[in-house]
Amino acid sequence: ETGVTQTPRHLVMGMTNKKSLKCEQHLGHNAMYWYKQSAKKPLELMFVYSLEERVENNSVPSRFSPECPNSSHLFLHLHTLQPEDSALYLCASSQDRTRLAGGFNEQFFGPGTRLTVL
Amino acid sequence: GQQLNQSPQSMFIQEGEDVSMNCTSSSIFNTWLWYKQDPGEGPVLLIALYKAGELTSNGRLTAQFGITRKDSFLNISASIPSDVGIYFCAGRPLSGGGADGLTFGKGTHLIIQP
Repeated sequence: ETGVTQTPRHLVMGMTNKKSLKCEQHLGHNAMYWYKQSAKKPLELMFVYSLEERVENNSVPSRFSPECPNSSHLFLHLHTLQPEDSALYLCASSQDRTRLAGGFNEQFFGPGTRLTVL
Repeated sequence: GQQLNQSPQSMFIQEGEDVSMNCTSSSIFNTWLWYKQDPGEGPVLLIALYKAGELTSNGRLTAQFGITRKDSFLNISASIPSDVGIYFCAGRPLSGGGADGLTFGKGTHLIIQP
């Protein structure tokens, strides 16, 4: 149990569906992340939220829309996805410290949502 | 963008053997992390390194932050069956801030033969 939970664990959706992935962290952290893990590729950072503000968006297609209503919850809204979007989507959290304080960034991951787009 | 070269891609070893894997970067990193991922789960942090030359142990695992700040290695001594999994190195570049995403290697798949 890492303190980061994700639901659902598995999701199968058609290209015209709209669905949402949910992440919740119970570690008191103030930064949350979405990563995409595809077969035989490194984990790809998608979005970063620090103190509920989006601080990084790595050229992710607009069919992925993140939402961070508070420091404990993070969502990834999905619509009109493509088959190549099938992957394991991982959420992570960390305690954001400023560069002056020492920017340590140990990220703790949830178990992921295995997404299949038909 | 930043890239990490992790090797080897996979390792087939006998139980009881020692394991060594490494990660290199073309640019300087100020943080190196090593994670392990089991099937169907997210990566779990094993060791975190913050200073050049730092050598840190966690049980049978030992990792070092290279002096040049462009590499790191992970050693596992006396491997056991539960060591099977995929090991990832991850780092944060020198220019990174507090909440930057990590750059990951492609992983080393450790397989222990009976």
